[in-house]
Amino acid sequence: GQNIDQPTEMTATEGAIVQINCTYQTSGFNGLFWYQQHAGEAPTFLSYNVLDGLEEKGRFSSFLSRSKGYSYLLLKELQMKDSASYLCAVIDGNYQLIWGAGTKLIIKP
Amino acid sequence: DGGITQSPKYLFRKEGQNVTLSCEQNLNHDAMYWYRQDPGQGLRLIYYSQIVNDFQKGDIAEGYSVSREKKESFPLTVTSAQKNPTAFYLCASSTGTELTKNIQYFGAGTRLSVL
Repeated sequence: GQNIDQPTEMTATEGAIVQINCTYQTSGFNGLFWYQQHAGEAPTFLSYNVLDGLEEKGRFSSFLSRSKGYSYLLLKELQMKDSASYLCAVIDGNYQLIWGAGTKLIIKP
Repeated sequence: DGGITQSPKYLFRKEGQNVTLSCEQNLNHDAMYWYRQDPGQGLRLIYYSQIVNDFQKGDIAEGYSVSREKKESFPLTVTSAQKNPTAFYLCASSTGTELTKNIQYFGAGTRLSVL
């Protein structure tokens, strides 16, 4: 079966750095997305990775290792508004999007 | 402003009743999707449509129906056959289904509850 694993919940301090991991086992791989979702709101696109390596976009970076079936989202200089769920999603070999359950990130002052 | 509009924001269903959730987009996207989100679970695909007058079942299509008569609109009907409809329903659209075109943009969601 196809599976995406993320930690259920993480806590971090304002101003700090946090890394949210995502591991996947899918039938084929055609890319990986990260989305942010505030409670009761729509998910919003953050990043996508196709090739191995790090993609940086402001305070957020996303890393991919296809050989390890692994990605992480790195958030720097955390702000209270970063409190949200972070969803990892993989496009499998049939171009179907498989979603993880999301990681709830709690930021404390 | 371009975007995806879902309505209503909250919806209540009585036993044996069909209800329809609206989804409209003005992004000129070809593909549209309906997802169901339950606590502690990933988004699950109900139906998707890549082109007008065509749609395919997703992983959990039973008890749901859709139509795609216009490019901009993709309404979802939750029928009485869906025995556990309480969930957060999200509509999304994308320019296509190939990798680089499959960045999906979401509406604000409809929260459906059973009375």
